[in-house]
Amino acid sequence: GQNIDQPTEMTATEGAIVQINCTYQTSGFNGLFWYQQHAGEAPTFLSYNVLDGLEEKGRFSSFLSRSKGYSYLLLKELQMKDSASYLCAVRDPGAGSYQLTFGKGTKLSVIP
Amino acid sequence: DGGITQSPKYLFRKEGQNVTLSCEQNLNHDAMYWYRQDPGQGLRLIYYSQIVNDFQKGDIAEGYSVSREKKESFPLTVTSAQKNPTAFYLCASSTNRGEQFFGPGTRLTVL
Repeated sequence: GQNIDQPTEMTATEGAIVQINCTYQTSGFNGLFWYQQHAGEAPTFLSYNVLDGLEEKGRFSSFLSRSKGYSYLLLKELQMKDSASYLCAVRDPGAGSYQLTFGKGTKLSVIP
Repeated sequence: DGGITQSPKYLFRKEGQNVTLSCEQNLNHDAMYWYRQDPGQGLRLIYYSQIVNDFQKGDIAEGYSVSREKKESFPLTVTSAQKNPTAFYLCASSTNRGEQFFGPGTRLTVL
């Protein structure tokens, strides 16, 4: 099984940088995903990490340390539209081969 | 355009009634999933299917049923045995890498 922990809520200022952390305890690991979910909408894919290190994609970056069971999502130059929940999800090779286990999400509020 | 569609967007049901939520994808993905999301909660897996005519229970399958007769379709039935069915239901399909693509969701309310 998997246990995934994220902070429940965070607040940051427009134009700033925010880091959202995710820790996981797993019986196996085969990749970590970050999703963005605006209120009342479906999650949309942001990033994927399977090897240690940093993956950068525009204003968003994601980092993974498999030995520490740790990932973070870094959002730069925050915009008001970045106000959303951010979900960390781990792929479990022991379950259905493509199955993901999701954390409860971090609700980010961007203020002017 | 490739994607996943769910219908209806909003659904109201009386207690004791079964209701079926539709999910269709044209992404040619083998695997499909149903999740339930409650306010302030993460996604909880109800059922998943990795191939046509086969599906597996997820973490909260009680009170739900599914079928997978076609690759493109994975309907979910919420039965009267589901004690607290009011929730946001999300359908997804996935690539071989495991990246999941979600439909727009169905918000079910039991009156």
